[in-house]
Amino acid sequence: QKEVEQDPGPLSVPEGAIVSLNCTYSNSAFQYFMWYRQYSRKGPELLMYTYSSGNKEDGRFTAQVDKSSKYISLFIRDSQPSDSATYLCAIGEGGSYIPTFGRGTSLIVHP
Amino acid sequence: GAVVSQHPSWVICKSGTSVKIECRSLDFQATTMFWYRQFPKQSLMLMATSNEGSKATYEQGVEKDKFLINHASLTLSTLTVTSAHPEDSSFYICSALDRSRAYEQYFGPGTRLTVT
Repeated sequence: QKEVEQDPGPLSVPEGAIVSLNCTYSNSAFQYFMWYRQYSRKGPELLMYTYSSGNKEDGRFTAQVDKSSKYISLFIRDSQPSDSATYLCAIGEGGSYIPTFGRGTSLIVHP
Repeated sequence: GAVVSQHPSWVICKSGTSVKIECRSLDFQATTMFWYRQFPKQSLMLMATSNEGSKATYEQGVEKDKFLINHASLTLSTLTVTSAHPEDSSFYICSALDRSRAYEQYFGPGTRLTVT
C-alpha cells in the first residue's frame, strides 16, 4: 500500500460545479499537507498548505484535513475551464522536508 | 513571492553529450533544492535533494555520476546530465524551499530534455 493514495481520474465536470479532490494516507506521523496544481508541461504551483485538521479557505479553494480519518480534500467552488489541470497532494512528516506526493488527479472542467 | 526559475525550458541534445539545467530561486534564499523527473501522465519522481554547500543526497536508483548536482549558492542549483542517452529524455523539474518558511516547496517551470 502506498503511503499516499490519490485517484488519477480523469474527473470531468461542467463549468460552475463544485469539485472535490481527495487523498488518503496511511502514515499517522504526517503533519503538513499541501495541494499543487500542475498544468500540462509546466511545473506544479502551490495552491494551499496547512498543518492542522480543519478547513482552510483561499478564494474559491478550500483545503480540508481530517487527521483522524487520514483524509484530505481540496474543494473548488464555481469551477472554471481554466481550472482544468492535474492536482497533486503532498503530505509530509514534521521534521522532514521531503513530502510524499500523490500521483495526481486530472481535472477537466468543460464549458 | 517565492518564484523559482529554470533554464533552459526546452533542450535537444545528441546522444553522448552533456546538458546543464539551472534552477534559481528569485526572491528567497533556498536552503534546500530538489530535483524531480516526470514522465508523461506520471507523478513526480524525486531524484535528489541538495542543501546549499553540501553534497547532494540521491534517491535509490539514481546514478550520481550521471546526474551531477551542484548547489553552490542559496539561489542556484544545477543539474548536469552527463553522457545523455535517449532514455534520459524526460521533464526535469526543480523545487526550492526556505527552511525558515517551513515546508512549502516552490517549483520551477520545468525543463523538457530530448536526447536524439
